[in-house]
Amino acid sequence: DTAVSQTPKYLVTQMGNDKSIKCEQNLGHDTMYWYKQDSKKFLKIMFSYNNKELIINETVPNRFSPKSPDKAHLNLHINSLELGDSAVYFCASSRRGGRNEQFFGPGTRLTVL
Amino acid sequence: AQSVTQPDIHITVSEGASLELRCNYSYGATPYLFWYVQSPGQGLQLLLKYFSGDTLVQGIKGFEAEFKRSQSSFNLRKPSVHWSDAAEYFCAVGAQTGTGNQFYFGTGTSLTVIP
Repeated sequence: DTAVSQTPKYLVTQMGNDKSIKCEQNLGHDTMYWYKQDSKKFLKIMFSYNNKELIINETVPNRFSPKSPDKAHLNLHINSLELGDSAVYFCASSRRGGRNEQFFGPGTRLTVL
Repeated sequence: AQSVTQPDIHITVSEGASLELRCNYSYGATPYLFWYVQSPGQGLQLLLKYFSGDTLVQGIKGFEAEFKRSQSSFNLRKPSVHWSDAAEYFCAVGAQTGTGNQFYFGTGTSLTVIP
């Protein structure tokens, strides 16, 4: 069974479009995250959710909006896509507490043309 | 402010040779430390973690890491590298704040293994 799953794995779209990436975890974790990994492999945290509440919101454009319908899901919606949004986006989850490791999804490679 | 530094952007080793990947952190309290590996086209997988106790921790795939508080380091080691170890390696610090979990990742070290 896949612990953290993301769909789609690849996403190719035109500038200006709106797209969503879905994430689901079946680990019973109460905290979920979205990361952006650029071409240099640098990981930047974008959001985290704890019990459906946004608890970290880094300085990302407001075109990005996380949506959590329940504790097991954290979707990422992106409006008006730009070329610079091209990256790999990772979803992760963990138990609450800094000592608990994160479990990562396989990633979604977004290409904006 | 919390931060993680991986000084080596890229390392090349021969198969069978020993490996050490460096990680330095900056954190005000006792850190929770992690090493993750990312194989090409994959997500991140936990290799090992430290949060208390024995400062030498064992992980999966034959990796180990040693926490040295005096040096603010958590270096990853493997005595004999296999070709399948070629990947990107990330060190991270975890913290529990009033607003929840926070994780700080280093910029990663890319490992190439030559036959």
